[in-house]
Amino acid sequence: EDQVTQSPEALRLQEGESSSLNCSYTVSGLRGLFWYRQDPGKGPEFLFTLYSAGEEKEKERLKATLTKKESFLHITAPKPEDSATYLCAVLTSGTYKYIFGTGTRLKVLA
Amino acid sequence: SAVISQKPSRDICQRGTSLTIQCQVDSQVTMMFWYRQQPGQSLTLIATANQGSEATYESGFVIDKFPISRPNLTFSTLTVSNMSPEDSSIYLCSVEGQAGTEAFFGQGTRLTVV
Repeated sequence: EDQVTQSPEALRLQEGESSSLNCSYTVSGLRGLFWYRQDPGKGPEFLFTLYSAGEEKEKERLKATLTKKESFLHITAPKPEDSATYLCAVLTSGTYKYIFGTGTRLKVLA
Repeated sequence: SAVISQKPSRDICQRGTSLTIQCQVDSQVTMMFWYRQQPGQSLTLIATANQGSEATYESGFVIDKFPISRPNLTFSTLTVSNMSPEDSSIYLCSVEGQAGTEAFFGQGTRLTVV
């Protein structure tokens, strides 16, 4: 069964304290892995797409990486405005559906 | 990227009534997706809506409860019928940028059933 698991469920960081969020996946075939940011009361906002193992994408303080079994979202020197829920999703080649993880709730303290 | 307008943004409804959620996209898209996000949980796909054909529903979701319309390539509606408090959730409309790429989302409809 296709599955996406994110860890940790929640993370509290001090401003400037770098860390990583994990997304592990088990799918029959991977077309792509996506990271989203979701603020309270809003829809998910697209961040990154990764298609193959070894690929990396960067945007400001965020960097996403991909292996054959998992993806990491690295947050370097976070700021309070980075506080949000970060969602990981995979698009499977078998069923052609997006499967979402339950997200990591990030809180960055000033 | 696609810009998706979803309305209403929130509503409080009486049990037993129905609510129709509208989703408007700024470009023509083949497939539109409807998701439900219950409190503290991830997104669950309700159905996929293609223009000109009946929506395809996921396991656990039925057309009588969640009828969907897709009259053209830029618009869709989801109706939540005969609501109960268990239907309280965020409902999200989504489209793909291009086939096999990232999905884009509307701002969601926060539904509370009392």
